Amino acid sequence: QVQLVQSGTEVKKPGASVKVSCNVSGYTFGRYGIGWVRQAPGQGLEWIGWTNPYNGDRNYAQKFQDRVTVSIDTPTSTAYMELRSLRSDDTAIYYCATDYDFVWGSWGQGTMVTVSS
Amino acid sequence: QTVVTQEPSLTVSPGGTVTLTCASSTGAVTNDYHPNWFQQKPGQAPRTLIYNINNKHSWTPARFSGSLLGDKAALTLSGVQSEDEAEYYCLLIYGGAWVFGGGTKLTVL
Repeated sequence: QVQLVQSGTEVKKPGASVKVSCNVSGYTFGRYGIGWVRQAPGQGLEWIGWTNPYNGDRNYAQKFQDRVTVSIDTPTSTAYMELRSLRSDDTAIYYCATDYDFVWGSWGQGTMVTVSS
Repeated sequence: QTVVTQEPSLTVSPGGTVTLTCASSTGAVTNDYHPNWFQQKPGQAPRTLIYNINNKHSWTPARFSGSLLGDKAALTLSGVQSEDEAEYYCLLIYGGAWVFGGGTKLTVL
């Protein structure tokens, strides 16, 4: 079955960068896009961006456009989300999920990112 | 700034039926917005229930259904069970950018 396994907890200082990984299995990597979502403590879900491993297309929420990069490593079936210039309000759980042809599917377990001085 | 609006909270009795809605600040929700619905329980990752208005994944219980209701997307739970107590989120697409609703906290009481 489709599985998405994310990297572990991160603690970063303000101004630093974080790179979260999402390793997928159970399907041909290029078949589905990968979406990225975050959830601040006690808050709702927020869409960050998306990438298509098949052709490298990317799309970002305007809010994150200048600070985020989503990328892929096809040989390892891994997607990455890098967020730069971290602030305390970037403290959140970051999720990856399959997103293909407007269909959201399976989700990763989430990666907690804490930004604190 | 596009806003997607859901009921903040709803309460339903076990065995009952409840409908959650998802409205867009831009007007009527249509199939062009490709509504998806998610369930999230405390401490867990979200789980996708419905895609493209009314399509279910293999893991989606039969008691969940999606539709368009008036000018909104809707998620209906029929024969609610205690395990359905959770937060529910809708998601709509606007020209390539997805926007989540604020979520509905469903209490089964």
